[in-house]
Amino acid sequence: KAGVTQTPRYLIKTRGQQVTLSCSPISGHRSVSWYQQTPGQGLQFLFEYFSETQRNKGNFPGRFSGRQFSNSRSEMNVSTLELGDSALYLCASRGTEYNEQFFGPGTRLTVL
Amino acid sequence: EDKVVQSPLSLVVHEGDTVTLNCSYEVTNFRSLLWYKQEKKAPTFLFMLTSSGIEKKSGRLSSILDKKELSSILNITATQTGDSAIYLCAVLNRDDKIIFGKGTRLHILP
Repeated sequence: KAGVTQTPRYLIKTRGQQVTLSCSPISGHRSVSWYQQTPGQGLQFLFEYFSETQRNKGNFPGRFSGRQFSNSRSEMNVSTLELGDSALYLCASRGTEYNEQFFGPGTRLTVL
Repeated sequence: EDKVVQSPLSLVVHEGDTVTLNCSYEVTNFRSLLWYKQEKKAPTFLFMLTSSGIEKKSGRLSSILDKKELSSILNITATQTGDSAIYLCAVLNRDDKIIFGKGTRLHILP
């Protein structure tokens, strides 16, 4: 089975721009979660989508949004980028049987 | 508010030493506890613990959950330089929400 894939792997943007990140879960997994990871804050939960519906949400501003498509692929959008949004963004998919999450390689976003 | 706390935040030991990493949690409707290893990019799954007192083992790594103490430990025996990584603990609750700790950064000196 192919693992979780994320695109792009690296991204450089400037303040005020917006960005869209993509995540394709493991085949058959319907849950996709997004995390932001920074050295200071560790792994912080953004949101989780299950069957195209947002199931859980972390404490991030409204500039962070996401969606999930019928094929379970998910996108995350960040609008009006700030310097503090520079981070590694990880996506994880989860099956229903064992519930452990499998992570993608991440997208490294740098905001200049 | 649900939280997961890991200790120590960082640890430096010599190859061959045994280490114990700690994870404590305050989570409503606990379902299971998970351990991950993160080396460079994506965290990789190590263990899922649901029942108290049952040790899970994989090679030199083992972990156990204590539901009474709301905690778990991850042991690594005969450490190797390849064990250097961030070890993440996470708790899954019955609403299917996963809460991660900040991780323990482990560095093994040759």
